[in-house]
Amino acid sequence: TQLLEQSPQFLSIQEGENLTVYCNSSSVFSSLQWYRQEPGEGPVLLVTVVTGGEVKKLKRLTFQFGDARKDSSLHITAAQPGDTGLYLCAGAHSGGSNYKLTFGKGTLLTVNP
Amino acid sequence: DTGVSQDPRHKITKRGQNVTFRCDPISEHNRLYWYRQTLGQGPEFLTYFQNEAQLEKSRLLSDRFSAERPKGSFSTLEIQRTEQGDSAMYLCASSLRSSGPSGNEQFFGPGTRLTVL
Repeated sequence: TQLLEQSPQFLSIQEGENLTVYCNSSSVFSSLQWYRQEPGEGPVLLVTVVTGGEVKKLKRLTFQFGDARKDSSLHITAAQPGDTGLYLCAGAHSGGSNYKLTFGKGTLLTVNP
Repeated sequence: DTGVSQDPRHKITKRGQNVTFRCDPISEHNRLYWYRQTLGQGPEFLTYFQNEAQLEKSRLLSDRFSAERPKGSFSTLEIQRTEQGDSAMYLCASSLRSSGPSGNEQFFGPGTRLTVL
């Protein structure tokens, strides 16, 4: 079973602070997606990383895929209340099952004004 | 096209009743997925269709669960003889089959929240 562990599980910060959340696995993934989910809604895709060592930026969000494609991080600069939500990472399996995503449990981020 | 849609958004039922959920994927997407999410957990894979063919079913999908995608467009997920443990958010996602990594990019609907009393 390919598991993804996310840390921290909960994070509460003040507006303007920086933060990093982590997604770790002992397995190699062909790609990794980050999603943001609000209460009562489905996950919304933020980014896909594919290549080991890849860094992608989306405004104040920076995503990095580990060199071995087993881990990833999400860094948010100058967090805003609108960043509040559940951040989920999901890995796509290698080989013939690459359509299947394995999700972590998520990091619940609260940004206080 | 406004994305993946699901109906109903909320369903409350009594234990032992049957329920059916519908998912309409993004129109050009030929892959469709069902996931289940319980409180404090990430979504868990249930089943996957490529066009009208159901290609994989998770062991989480007991005999009481059945999913169909008869014309390769919308899909239905039926739960028979519901149990309290079936209470969860049922999420549908779709993607476009691609040889590249973008084929793994799945776009989710808003989900159907099921409560079994």
